[in-house]
Amino acid sequence: GAGVSQTPSNKVTEKGKYVELRCDPISGHTALYWYRQSLGQGPEFLIYFQGTGAADDSGLPNDRFFAVRPEGSVSTLKIQRTERGDSAVYLCASSLTGWETQYFGPGTRLLVL
Amino acid sequence: EDQVTQSPEALRLQEGESSSLNCSYTVSGLRGLFWYRQDPGKGPEFLFTLYSAGEEKEKERLKATLTKKESFLHITAPKPEDSATYLCAVQARNAGNMLTFGGGTRLMVKP
Repeated sequence: GAGVSQTPSNKVTEKGKYVELRCDPISGHTALYWYRQSLGQGPEFLIYFQGTGAADDSGLPNDRFFAVRPEGSVSTLKIQRTERGDSAVYLCASSLTGWETQYFGPGTRLLVL
Repeated sequence: EDQVTQSPEALRLQEGESSSLNCSYTVSGLRGLFWYRQDPGKGPEFLFTLYSAGEEKEKERLKATLTKKESFLHITAPKPEDSATYLCAVQARNAGNMLTFGGGTRLMVKP
């Protein structure tokens, strides 16, 4: 079956620009997670959705980062006024309900010039 | 604060040379410990979940074990296709559903 998909696979932007990253979870999975992975490090948690609501956004680094999941399926991670330090791989994962195994997408590689 | 430390950071093995990867963790109430494999340019691929000390799981050449303080990923007679980064993560009972990851072990298996 189809796994987690993420678009775009790569995104190059300039400092100060706005970007949107999209995640399409496994069909039927109600829980969706965003993580960020810097080169040579493990993924770091950003935000967790249960259905349409953000159940835990404690990992968002600052108010330039925002995520939505309006219909409880596809999610969009939005980054305003991008900075060079935002360059990383942004990973999305989904799980069936909540605490079960999280399955990851291929990631979006963001480069801020 | 939950912490996960993986060692070694990098490991080079000859094909057929068995070894173990270590994942030490500190968590306030473990819900589950997860092992993932990550190939360059790809997302983490799920391997195992362990829930309680003494539990073991196997898949092909890989075997994961769990104690109250650490987990081991044993690789028996590895092949070049086992080369990847192996990530360990914990999920705590009182920290929602987020995963806390270690830095990973980069494994290279030479033919």
